[in-house]
Amino acid sequence: AQSVAQPEDQVNVAEGNPLTVKCTYSVSGNPYLFWYVQYPNRGLQFLLKYITGDNLVKGSYGFEAEFNKSQTSFHLKKPSALVSDSALYFCAVRDIWGNTPLVFGKGTRLSVIA
Amino acid sequence: DSGVTQTPKHLITATGQRVTLRCSPRSGDLSVYWYQQSLDQGLQFLIQYYNGEERAKGNILERFSAQQFPDLHSELNLSSLELGDSALYFCASSVESGLGILNEQFFGPGTRLTVL
Repeated sequence: AQSVAQPEDQVNVAEGNPLTVKCTYSVSGNPYLFWYVQYPNRGLQFLLKYITGDNLVKGSYGFEAEFNKSQTSFHLKKPSALVSDSALYFCAVRDIWGNTPLVFGKGTRLSVIA
Repeated sequence: DSGVTQTPKHLITATGQRVTLRCSPRSGDLSVYWYQQSLDQGLQFLIQYYNGEERAKGNILERFSAQQFPDLHSELNLSSLELGDSALYFCASSVESGLGILNEQFFGPGTRLTVL
């Protein structure tokens, strides 16, 4: 079975500081990994994905994520946080060879304080 | 704007009633997914359709059903509604390559269902 964990319900960071939103996963084979963001009263928006290749994936709005196979992690990062980054962030995973749907984490609420 | 449309935006109804939520996927997307988002359960996958056929089923109650029509729009039917069915219901669509490659999903704005 595949699963994903976002260990922090809430992350607070000051504007201009680097931010990290954590995600760890469990799949039987190799993973597809995604990050989505949800702004208030909106649907989820795709940020970035990892399928294969370079462990550092760059996405929208200056976000990037680092795939670490040994630690089964896919943490989302941004060098300098903006107040407008405040939102709910979801990590999602699926086994690369499976035919099962994407499994989403419970989400991490990011609050960037001016 | 993701290109996925959902109607209605808000729905308020009573327990025991039946409602239908509608989704139109992005142009060219053959796959449609339905999700339920509630405060205590997070984002739960309900069901996926691909080109009119059911492809995968998640935590969907027997009181709920869905279908995808020839024009690729999809409807989610919720019946015998209970208070606990109050949630945000999202539809998403994606391109399927047919080779098992998983492409990103594009989400609609959601339908907020309130059961009183």
